[in-house]
Amino acid sequence: QKEVEQNSGPLSVPEGAIASLNCTYSDRVSQSFFWYRQYSGKSPELIMSIYSNGDKEDGRFTAQLNKASQYVSLLIRDSQPSDSATYLCAVVPIGSGNTGKLIFGQGTTLQVKP
Amino acid sequence: NAGVTQTPKFQVLKTGQSMTLQCAQDMNHNSMYWYRQDPGMGLRLIYYSASEGTTDKGEVPNGYNVSRLNKREFSLRLESAAPSQTSVYFCASSGTGTSSSYEQYFGPGTRLTVT
Repeated sequence: QKEVEQNSGPLSVPEGAIASLNCTYSDRVSQSFFWYRQYSGKSPELIMSIYSNGDKEDGRFTAQLNKASQYVSLLIRDSQPSDSATYLCAVVPIGSGNTGKLIFGQGTTLQVKP
Repeated sequence: NAGVTQTPKFQVLKTGQSMTLQCAQDMNHNSMYWYRQDPGMGLRLIYYSASEGTTDKGEVPNGYNVSRLNKREFSLRLESAAPSQTSVYFCASSGTGTSSSYEQYFGPGTRLTVT
């Protein structure tokens, strides 16, 4: 099993809908998780970090961590065409110490249609 | 603050040529990283430097060398470029010491083509 897995998509949602992006992880990773947004031709941009079980909300974005089921989700409410991008899930691998290394998923492409 | 900067933005090399990609950060971060991103392959770690004076191999180090010049700067060198090194290269940095220190911040990237 890969350490971090995402469905590559594309995930297509209508404008104004809730977009739900999922990431599953193996038990070889620790409990620090990150969501990055990457527009086509641009670099990844950190949008959410979550370190404990449960939900974390920031504006239209909610990150959900479920340790029992080993997945982390990103919900985008009131999706806008400007949210169309690839969303990368990243985790801290166990045993990485203070290196700060992250493992990235392959990313899910989101398309928000007007 | 400029965050993480990279030069050049674009580069075309012939097979066998060498070049150095430059990266600098002004966030006083301890750790710096070099990734390459290829279609369908995601982000792959080439080398990283957990702190000034240390460097370590990542997932795909072959054909590359790095130098952590000081706390701010981390360069990536291709000694003899190959077409397989055609990619987009990203530099990133992160702090250390707290859980939020794992947050990595990326530079704008260098698009390299080797012919």
